[in-house]
Amino acid sequence: DAKTTQPPSMDCAEGRAANLPCNHSTISGNEYVYWYRQIHSQGPQYIIHGLKNNETNEMASLIITEDRKSSTLILPHATLRDTAVYYCIVRSVGTASKLTFGTGTRLQVTL
Amino acid sequence: GAVVSQHPSRVICKSGTSVKIECRSLDFQATTMFWYRQFPKQSLMLMATSNEGSKATYEQGVEKDKFLINHASLTLSTLTVTSAHPEDSSFYICSASPTNYGYTFGSGTRLTVV
Repeated sequence: DAKTTQPPSMDCAEGRAANLPCNHSTISGNEYVYWYRQIHSQGPQYIIHGLKNNETNEMASLIITEDRKSSTLILPHATLRDTAVYYCIVRSVGTASKLTFGTGTRLQVTL
Repeated sequence: GAVVSQHPSRVICKSGTSVKIECRSLDFQATTMFWYRQFPKQSLMLMATSNEGSKATYEQGVEKDKFLINHASLTLSTLTVTSAHPEDSSFYICSASPTNYGYTFGSGTRLTVV
């Protein structure tokens, strides 16, 4: 699986949008971009995934650049409960396809 | 939605003993499950891929004789930490993929070896 690069930490004021960048310049054509987050001492939680089109769900939006070499996860109105480590992962399709975690971005939402 | 249940959530054991951790897919069948380990303030590290009815595939550097994995049914995988030592203390997490696109994680097991 392709390697991803994320900033180690970010801060965001509550109520503002949190924009978390991810670089995946070596992504291959059959690999999807996934975002997960992990709140302290819990299992990772799925947020969103996409291939090349922008995606939106009830939690977040995913913006993927046209060349697919980078993406941005957007939490439109961050709350204190969004404080977590956010992982950007690229993975090929299939139930046996491994999910390899990088170091992630620690997002701190403040009052 | 798809749920992966992990048990126990916390366990304390004495050095030299073995500990078994269970991972169950509650509402889907999983021919493949994954086991991760996470040390404090570090990312998740994939330990092994558990395959129903066959041997597990271990990542490089993971001792297969120490971390025994059994995937005897389509809904249950177990990880046994044998002859545990304090350095095995960690957060162990399992996961499975209910669809080709999804990936669900258990809530994790905090193992403390004293």
